[in-house]
Amino acid sequence: DAKTTQPNSMESNEEEPVHLPCNHSTISGTDYIHWYRQLPSQGPEYVIHGLTSNVNNRMASLAIAEDRKSSTLILHRATLRDAAVYYCISARRGADGLTFGKGTHLIIQP
Amino acid sequence: NADVMQNPRHLVRRRGQEARLRCSPMKGHSHVYWYRQLPEEGLKFMVYLQKENIIDESGMPKERFSAEFPKEGPSILRIQQVVRGDSAAYFCASSLMGQGMTDTQYFGPGTRLTVL
Repeated sequence: DAKTTQPNSMESNEEEPVHLPCNHSTISGTDYIHWYRQLPSQGPEYVIHGLTSNVNNRMASLAIAEDRKSSTLILHRATLRDAAVYYCISARRGADGLTFGKGTHLIIQP
Repeated sequence: NADVMQNPRHLVRRRGQEARLRCSPMKGHSHVYWYRQLPEEGLKFMVYLQKENIIDESGMPKERFSAEFPKEGPSILRIQQVVRGDSAAYFCASSLMGQGMTDTQYFGPGTRLTVL
């Protein structure tokens, strides 16, 4: 799996948009970019994934750079319940175990 | 997440005892993954199983750890002769297709193992 780099922590205010960056400069052409998040004392939760095009779902949006070396997870309107560790994962073809890094600890201020 | 069941949620064992962790995947899912999360660390992949088969155990310690996913019943992660370093949260996940890069893994709430 390609190595991903994320900031250790980020802080945002409630009801404001949040942009969580991820660098994956060694990503291969067939690697998908997945985002999961882990709330305190819970298991990880799927957020979104994509390959080349930007993706939207009810939880978030994923903006993927044209060269695919970076991506940004966008939470359009953060709530206190979005406080979690967010993991950006690049999954290699044929590799079924996900490789989690340290992720970004997102803090939401009321 | 609640649809992937793990039990027990908390397990305390003394050094040298055996720990058995159970995982029932989401309905219709036949692919199960086990991960371990040591305190203050990220999740580490351990093993990937399909019904009755181990597909990838590259993250599993070579000794004392084993996993199974029988035709009937939950997947079991078994740790023999536990040591204090085995204290961690163990998560299982399940997926529908098991195709790695495109399939979504749904995680359970985890089993927190404490070895005294």
